[in-house]
Amino acid sequence: GENVEQHPSTLSVQEGDSAVIKCTYSDSASNYFPWYKQELGKRPQLIIDIRSNVGEKKDQRIAVTLNKTAKHFSLHITETQPEDSAVYFCALRGGFQKLVFGTGTRLLVSP
Amino acid sequence: DGGITQSPKYLFRKEGQNVTLSCEQNLNHDAMYWYRQDPGQGLRLIYYSQIVNDFQKGDIAEGYSVSREKKESFPLTVTSAQKNPTAFYLCASSIGLVVFGELFFGEGSRLTVL
Repeated sequence: GENVEQHPSTLSVQEGDSAVIKCTYSDSASNYFPWYKQELGKRPQLIIDIRSNVGEKKDQRIAVTLNKTAKHFSLHITETQPEDSAVYFCALRGGFQKLVFGTGTRLLVSP
Repeated sequence: DGGITQSPKYLFRKEGQNVTLSCEQNLNHDAMYWYRQDPGQGLRLIYYSQIVNDFQKGDIAEGYSVSREKKESFPLTVTSAQKNPTAFYLCASSIGLVVFGELFFGEGSRLTVL
C-alpha cells in the first residue's frame, strides 16, 4: 500500500526560529496532502492542506510546499512560538481514498 | 456542541478479555474511522465505514471488529485475538469518503492490557 516517510522524528528550535518538516511518498497518484497537529493530550486537528494542482499554500505563519516531481511535501513554520510545540503528522490520500499518515514529528519550541 | 465523543477515556483489561470502545458523532457525517496510535508509528487505520451497515478493513484489522448500525455510532471491539492491544485509539469522521475531506477526531481512548 501507500507509504509516507516523515522526517525528522523530533525537532527542537528556539522561539522565533523557523521549523521545517518533510515527508516523502512513492505513489504518484496521490493528490491530497494534509497536515495535522496534535497537542499533548489532545486530538489531532487539521492545520493546513494542499492539493496536487498547487505548489505552495500559506496561512499566516505556516506554509506547505509540494514537489510532485520529487514526490515530497514540507511544512514550514516561521517565527515559532511555544504554543507551536506539538506532534505534527503529514498525510496523503492514496489509493481507495484512504488517508495514510506519516510517523509524526515532535516539535519543541523553547522560549 | 457538535463533535465526536469517545468513551471511556482510559480502560484497563485483563488478557483474554474482549473490550468495546465507544464512538459517537453528532456531525451528521457519513464516514467514520478507527485509528491506532503507537509511539513512533503515526496513525494506522484499523477499520472505516462509508455508510450505515457497511465497513471495510484498514491496514491493521486483525484482532478487531466493528459495527455500524446507526449513522452516529461506530463502536470498536478489541478482541482477545489482538496480540498487542495496549495503545491509544482514535475515532474520526468525515463528511464522506471524499478525496479532500477533513477528518474530525475524538479525544481518544487509552487501552492498557494488564
